[in-house]
Amino acid sequence: DVKVTQSSRYLVKRTGEKVFLECVQDMDHENMFWYRQDPGLGLRLIYFSYDVKMKEKGDIPEGYSVSREKKERFSLILESASTNQTSMYLCASTHQGGIGGELFFGEGSRLTVL
Amino acid sequence: QQQVKQSPQSLIVQKGGISIINCAYENTAFDYFPWYQQFPGKGPALLIAIRPDVSEKKEGRFTISFNKSAKQFSLHIMDSQPGDSATYFCAASVYGNKLVFGAGTILRVKS
Repeated sequence: DVKVTQSSRYLVKRTGEKVFLECVQDMDHENMFWYRQDPGLGLRLIYFSYDVKMKEKGDIPEGYSVSREKKERFSLILESASTNQTSMYLCASTHQGGIGGELFFGEGSRLTVL
Repeated sequence: QQQVKQSPQSLIVQKGGISIINCAYENTAFDYFPWYQQFPGKGPALLIAIRPDVSEKKEGRFTISFNKSAKQFSLHIMDSQPGDSATYFCAASVYGNKLVFGAGTILRVKS
């Protein structure tokens, strides 16, 4: 069974803290994504990666960075968390050539920034 | 600017009824239109998808209707069940490129 695992389901951080969100997939997918989910706004793409050490900005990259040192792992980094980054963060992956095809999502990481 | 507009934002349907969620898009280059279903506490999962060479696709109780000239597509859930209560997202892409999602519809099926 395919699996995308987000290690932290719930986090509470203070303004200005550095935050790491980790995502691991076991499907040997080349492409990985970070989305942000907010009510009424749907899923908005923050960053994606189509290969190790490669990254592309999505629609809302400001205030975020990413790291992909291994094929199976894609990390989202908030260098200095702000209250407007309180949200649900979803990691997803798909196979090469399937960027527009089926995405496999993790269960999400709900971040609250105080 | 939202490239895929989804409506309604929320929907309440009686058990056994038909649930209908609509989406409209602007980019005529889009050639792949999936629907994702998300249960509380879970990530979205692909439910059904269609390409513009067909006007309808049915999988069990779920049907996508596609109107290329109107640039609209919709999800119909026949004989809606309480277990269908979830958030539904439409999406679109030019195949091989990243998906653009609608804002989501929260469906509640009353028993």
